[in-house]
Amino acid sequence: EVQVVESGGGLVQPGGSLRLSCAASGFTFRSYWMTWVRQAPGKGLEWVANIKQDGSEKYYVDSVKGRFTISRDNAKNSLSLQMNSLRAEDTAMYYCARGRGGGASVGVYDYWGQGTLVTVSS
Amino acid sequence: DIQMTQSPSTLSASVGDRVTISCRASQSIDIWLAWYQQKPGKAPKLLIYRASTLESGVASRFSGSGSGTEFTLTISSLQPDDFATYYCQQYNNYLTWTFGQGTKVEIK
Repeated sequence: EVQVVESGGGLVQPGGSLRLSCAASGFTFRSYWMTWVRQAPGKGLEWVANIKQDGSEKYYVDSVKGRFTISRDNAKNSLSLQMNSLRAEDTAMYYCARGRGGGASVGVYDYWGQGTLVTVSS
Repeated sequence: DIQMTQSPSTLSASVGDRVTISCRASQSIDIWLAWYQQKPGKAPKLLIYRASTLESGVASRFSGSGSGTEFTLTISSLQPDDFATYYCQQYNNYLTWTFGQGTKVEIK
């Protein structure tokens, strides 16, 4: 069974840092693009970052460029999101998801975790 | 960046109704559009990709159509389990992926 499980969320002060993790199982992790998507309380979905199978390509939404870093460890079947210089507007549920396939379908997300909540507040 | 606009924002319907949700892209995205369903407190669920391809295991009452800038998600006969929020998402632009603002389907 395909599973992705996020962890690492919590309360952090503005300007602080947090590292999210996503543990994957039930599929060949190294063969898939992975992504982070977030959802602010009561709001819609926002794509945050993608990473290619071997980590050689990474893409970010403009609002997090220079502050967030996506990475992966294929030996440990894990995905991470290092978040620095956090702002109140980064408060959201953060979801880890798998890209469905190759080509354009790397941007289609077929398996999602249940999310981890990040709250940025003083 | 490509903007995605859904309409309506909220839709009131009854069990058995035929429901249609629209999604418009700010520029052509060919057929590179997906639809997701999200229930309160749950992760999104992929319904349709490539504008009209039904994801495995998704009920056949869901269908998608369109290309270019205009897309539609149709639920042929609304079931109690279908009351949820639906999002479209474009994946045409390889450097950035964007969602619509969502359409909430609620009980009439």
